[in-house]
Amino acid sequence: QQQVKQSPQSLIVQKGGISIINCAYENTAFDYFPWYQQFPGKGPALLIAIRPDVSEKKEGRFTISFNKSAKQFSLHIMDSQPGDSATYFCAANRWAGSYQLTFGKGTKLSVIP
Amino acid sequence: NAGVTQTPKFRVLKTGQSMTLLCAQDMNHEYMYWYRQDPGMGLRLIHYSVGEGTTAKGEVPDGYNVSRLKKQNFLLGLESAAPSQTSVYFCASSYLDIVQGTQYFGPGTRLLVL
Repeated sequence: QQQVKQSPQSLIVQKGGISIINCAYENTAFDYFPWYQQFPGKGPALLIAIRPDVSEKKEGRFTISFNKSAKQFSLHIMDSQPGDSATYFCAANRWAGSYQLTFGKGTKLSVIP
Repeated sequence: NAGVTQTPKFRVLKTGQSMTLLCAQDMNHEYMYWYRQDPGMGLRLIHYSVGEGTTAKGEVPDGYNVSRLKKQNFLLGLESAAPSQTSVYFCASSYLDIVQGTQYFGPGTRLLVL
C-alpha cells in the first residue's frame, strides 16, 4: 500500500518556467516532509524539507507548500533551469521505533531551453 | 572526506548465489541505512542502524541481513539471491536521526540477479 502518492510521473518545463510537483499522503502520523533530488547515476540528495506546523518554506528557487488539512504538499521550482533536470522524490517521515521515510515514486523533470 | 562510498558499483549474480554489499562513511555518523530503488518506484528502506552493533528491520527486510560491527561500515548481505532482488541499492548515513540530521546517500550499487 503506497502511502505517499506523487504526481506527475514526468514533467517537461521550458527554461525560466515554474515546475510544480505534488504529493499526497494518508497517514496523519507523518511529521516531516523532505524532498530529494536525484541525478542519473547518483544517489538522492536532500533538497528541502518542511514540518507540518508551517505552510510554506522557501530556499532560493525552491519552495515547499504544505496543506495539512488536505494532506498534500508540493514542490515549486521557480525560474527552472536545464541544470534542474533530475528526478525528484517527495517523502514523509514517521516514527516506527526509529524515524523512517516513505518515498513517493518520483517525478522526472526535464527543463528544455 | 569521501562521504558515503559503496562497493561494488555493479554486480551480476546467479540465482542462489550470495554476496555482501559494503557501505562506508567517514563522517562519524551514528545512523546508517540501506535502501533499494526499483524502476518507477521510490526508495524503500531495507534495514537500518542507529549505532555500532545495532541493526533493525525496515520496510522490506526479507531476504537480506545486515551487520554494523564498526561505526563507519554497514554491510548488506544476500544469502541466496533471487531475481526479485535485482535493484539499485543505496546506502545512506546521518549524524542524527532523519528529522534532525541530513541523510547523505552513496552513489549506489547496481545488482542484477539472473
